[in-house]
Amino acid sequence: EVQLLESGGGLVQPGGSLRLSCAASGFTFSDYGMYWVRQAPGKGLEWVSGIRGSGAVTYYVDSVKGRFTVSRDNSKNTLYLQMNSLRADDTAVYYCAKARLSKAVPGHKCSDYWGRGTLVTVSS
Amino acid sequence: EIVMTQSPGTLSLSPGERATLSCRASQSVSSGSLAWYQQRPGQAPSLLIYGASSRATGIPDRFSGSGSGTDFTLTISRLEPEDFAVYYCQQYSSSPLTFGQGTRLEIK
Repeated sequence: EVQLLESGGGLVQPGGSLRLSCAASGFTFSDYGMYWVRQAPGKGLEWVSGIRGSGAVTYYVDSVKGRFTVSRDNSKNTLYLQMNSLRADDTAVYYCAKARLSKAVPGHKCSDYWGRGTLVTVSS
Repeated sequence: EIVMTQSPGTLSLSPGERATLSCRASQSVSSGSLAWYQQRPGQAPSLLIYGASSRATGIPDRFSGSGSGTDFTLTISRLEPEDFAVYYCQQYSSSPLTFGQGTRLEIK
């Protein structure tokens, strides 16, 4: 059974940093791209970042480029999101999500499994 | 960036009725790289449709997706009580992988 468990959320002051983790199990982690998607309170979904199975290629939405860094440790089956220079509009539930198809299939993928999310609140 | 626009914002229907949700892309979504997700209150999104028209594992056949290029549709043939939720479309043709703003399906 595929499981994704996010952790690391919490309250942080504007300008601060936080590192989110997503522990994965139930599939061959290194074979799949992974994504971070966020949802501000009462708002819709916003795709934030993606990383290929190897970790060699990463993608970001413009609003977080230069501030957020996605990475993965395939030996630990764990996805990370390092968030620096946090702003109030980064306040959201952050979900990690697994790509539906493995790296054997080229191109971007939709997500077939999602974690329950971790809440990040940026406020003074 | 491909901008996804969903309509209507809110759809009020009764159980047993048919629901039609629309999603329009600002530019062509190649290879039908369009997904639909359902999100119930307090839960993570769950995948309904991928490749514009293929149902994800375990999704009942009352859910169907159609469309290509820039115009896509999610149809729920006969609404069940558990179908009342928020629905999002997502293009995964190019980065950033953008979502629509969502359609809230509420009980009339």
